[in-house]
Amino acid sequence: GQQLNQSPQSMFIQEGEDVSMNCTSSSIFNTWLWYKQDPGEGPVLLIALYKAGELTSNGRLTAQFGITRKDSFLNISASIPSDVGIYFCAGQLWGANSKLTFGKGITLSVRP
Amino acid sequence: DAGITQSPRHKVTETGTPVTLRCHQTENHRYMYWYRQDPGHGLRLIHYSYGVKDTDKGEVSDGYSVSRSKTEDFLLTLESATSSQTSVYFCAISESGGYTFGSGTRLTVV
Repeated sequence: GQQLNQSPQSMFIQEGEDVSMNCTSSSIFNTWLWYKQDPGEGPVLLIALYKAGELTSNGRLTAQFGITRKDSFLNISASIPSDVGIYFCAGQLWGANSKLTFGKGITLSVRP
Repeated sequence: DAGITQSPRHKVTETGTPVTLRCHQTENHRYMYWYRQDPGHGLRLIHYSYGVKDTDKGEVSDGYSVSRSKTEDFLLTLESATSSQTSVYFCAISESGGYTFGSGTRLTVV
């Protein structure tokens, strides 16, 4: 089946630093999404991307849909302690019953 | 709020007992999903529903069953709980595009 690759499993950064995460796939997707999960909660949608090459920002977050449609990246600028959490990428194909395929997530730690 | 509620939030049960987890939505979304989350495995799809009484298996469906008798409720049942089913369970809903997740149920099987 389709798989999304996110690595490394964990990242440790200093408060104020920028961090970039990427997500790759062996097959194409029509939609890429990035979710964040806070401890003890469910994942929450951060950014959705619908077109190859699309670059979208949401505050300090910027995400891009790769032109090959097989990858996406998420950048967090000027990190703050509340950025701590697990970041999941997800890909989706168009069509009925089209389920999301999730990466395994990257756990981000921010040192004050 | 997102309009999706999971109950209970926490449960401890004994091996061999049946357990039912409930997902309730007020968004009238067509699609509902059950995932489990375990360290190192991310989110794995157990079962999903694309309408009332329409359900299908996900990648880790063994030992689980589901029912959806009305749009707003999607039930996940562990017929005979095992220790390997200790996990955090998430329900998600969607109409089209991205999912909205519930806050999860932490299930411990002892």
